[in-house]
Amino acid sequence: EAQVTQNPRYLITVTGKKLTVTCSQNMNHEYMSWYRQDPGLGLRQIYYSMNVEVTDKGDVPEGYKVSRKEKRNFPLILESPSPNQTSLYFCASTPREGANYGYTFGSGTRLTVV
Amino acid sequence: GNSVTQMEGPVTLSEEAFLTINCTYTATGYPSLFWYVQYPGEGLQLLLKATKADDKGSNKGFEATYRKETTSFHLEKGSVQVSDSAVYFCAHMNYGGSQGNLIFGKGTKLSVKP
Repeated sequence: EAQVTQNPRYLITVTGKKLTVTCSQNMNHEYMSWYRQDPGLGLRQIYYSMNVEVTDKGDVPEGYKVSRKEKRNFPLILESPSPNQTSLYFCASTPREGANYGYTFGSGTRLTVV
Repeated sequence: GNSVTQMEGPVTLSEEAFLTINCTYTATGYPSLFWYVQYPGEGLQLLLKATKADDKGSNKGFEATYRKETTSFHLEKGSVQVSDSAVYFCAHMNYGGSQGNLIFGKGTKLSVKP
């Protein structure tokens, strides 16, 4: 089944403790992206990647890092999480002609930073 | 800048009522337009899309027409069901340049009562 898989689904952590949310897609898509969803703000892009070793900032990149060492994986790294990063996170992917297809989204990771 | 504005919710309707959720956008060039749906506790699913002016996207009884002259992509359904209760997001994505960014509206929550 074609899908985007992210883990974990739920995570509670403490301020300052580094964490990684994994994301993998099995559709051989070039583009991958991370979004956060917050009440009243909708979804905002954190980072995206156009291909292996090519990443760029989205609208809200502060406090996050990403890497794209393999085409299928695009982990999101929070080096020193803070409570304002408590949010629902989505990973997504699309082929090179993304504007024809839109993104396919993972099931989400609900992160709570205390 | 690029943005999407959609009507604020929540929208509450009775079963079999007619649904319209308004969406307008600002974008450089001629973006592709999308409607995504998020059912409670789930990720985002692509509902329908349109990639050029005057295209009509349709799926599951929902329709939206790409109106370049009014920069709009309103979502409609002739007869809603309780199972349509969800949050609906309008979005656009450009070709080339910042193609990696799918720009979302803030979402409209729909509740359908029996």
